[in-house]
Order: sequence, then C-alpha cells, then structure tokens
Amino acid sequence: EDQVTQSPEALRLQEGESSSLNCSYTVSGLRGLFWYRQDPGKGPEFLFTLYSAGEEKEKERLKATLTKKESFLHITAPKPEDSATYLCAVLTSGTYKYIFGTGTRLKVLA
Amino acid sequence: GAGVSQSPSNKVTEKGKDVELRCDPISGHTALYWYRQSLGQGLEFLIYFQGNSAPDKSGLPSDRFSAERTGGSVSTLTIQRTQQEDSAVYLCASSPTTGQGGQFFGPGTRLTVL
Repeated sequence: EDQVTQSPEALRLQEGESSSLNCSYTVSGLRGLFWYRQDPGKGPEFLFTLYSAGEEKEKERLKATLTKKESFLHITAPKPEDSATYLCAVLTSGTYKYIFGTGTRLKVLA
Repeated sequence: GAGVSQSPSNKVTEKGKDVELRCDPISGHTALYWYRQSLGQGLEFLIYFQGNSAPDKSGLPSDRFSAERTGGSVSTLTIQRTQQEDSAVYLCASSPTTGQGGQFFGPGTRLTVL
C-alpha cells in the first residue's frame, strides 16, 4: 500500500536555528512529490514539486531535496513567520490521486 | 488573479439534514479535487474531476456523498443525511491538468454537524 510518513509531528525552533523536516514514502512508482505550507484556518499553499531523485528546489529560506525513499525540507535561519504546518504529498504512477502525510507542525520562537 | 474560492466558509447543520458545499476553481484549471481534513489528520482524498467527469470516486466515504462539476468550472459536494462524523474541513483544490504539478487550494468549508 502506498504510504507517506512525515516526521517529526511537531518541531519548535528558536529564530535562526536551522533544521530539516522529513517525508518518507513507500510507493509503487513516484510521479512527483509535493510540499505545501498550511497556516491555521487556511488551505494548503503549494511550495515545491520534485520529480526525480537528486532534484532540489529552493525558495527563500526553504530548500527541498528528494531521494528514492524520502524528501527533506530544510529550513535555514527560520523566522517566526515560517511557523506553520508543512505537508508532503506524493503522486504515484498509474493514478491521479495525491497521498498526503499528516504534516509537521513547526513553531519558530522569536 | 482570483484563486480557488469555496462557500460557505462555515456551515453548522443538524444531524440528518443535507448540505451543499461549493467550489470555484481557478479559471482554466481542468482538474478539480475534493479533500476532507479532520483535526490532527492528513488530507483525505474524496473525489477528483477531469473536466466534468469524475474518473475516481473511490474516496467518497458512503453513498450519502456525491459531487458534480458543471461547465468545467464550479463543483458542488453534497452530503445527504449528515452525521456527526461528517464534521470536518472540506477542501477543494484545482490544477491546470490532472496528475501534473502542485495543486492550488481554496480556504475550505468548516462543516459542523450537531
């Protein structure tokens, strides 16, 4: 069964303290992996798409990387405004159904 | 440059009543998805549309749930005879095509069944 697991469930960082969020996946064939940011009371906001192992994408303080079994979302020198839940999703071969992880709740303290 | 919109933003209903949730996708997006998000849970896939057709309805929890899309645009998710376990946030997302790229989500409809 296709599965997506995110860790940790929650993470508290001091402002400026860099860290990484993990998204591990078990799928029959990966068509794409997606990262989203979700603020309380809002819908997820699309951040990145990664298609193949070794691919990297960057946006401001965020950098997403992909291997054959997992993806990392690296947050460099985070700020309080980076506080949100970060969701990972995969799209597998032969289907158009996205499978989401349960997310990592990130809190960045000033 | 309007994004995905959903209405209502909040809906409180009594058990046994029917509800309709509406989604207006980004203009020109052919793919439209419905998800359900319960507190502390991930997004649960319900159904997706390619144009007006729904190739995959496998995520609909029961036959009380149905959805349609007209004109390749607006979609309505209908829940008949609502139950308390239907309480959740219902999210709609659209994308230019099916199965490529990220999705653009609406703000969601928070449904509370008393």
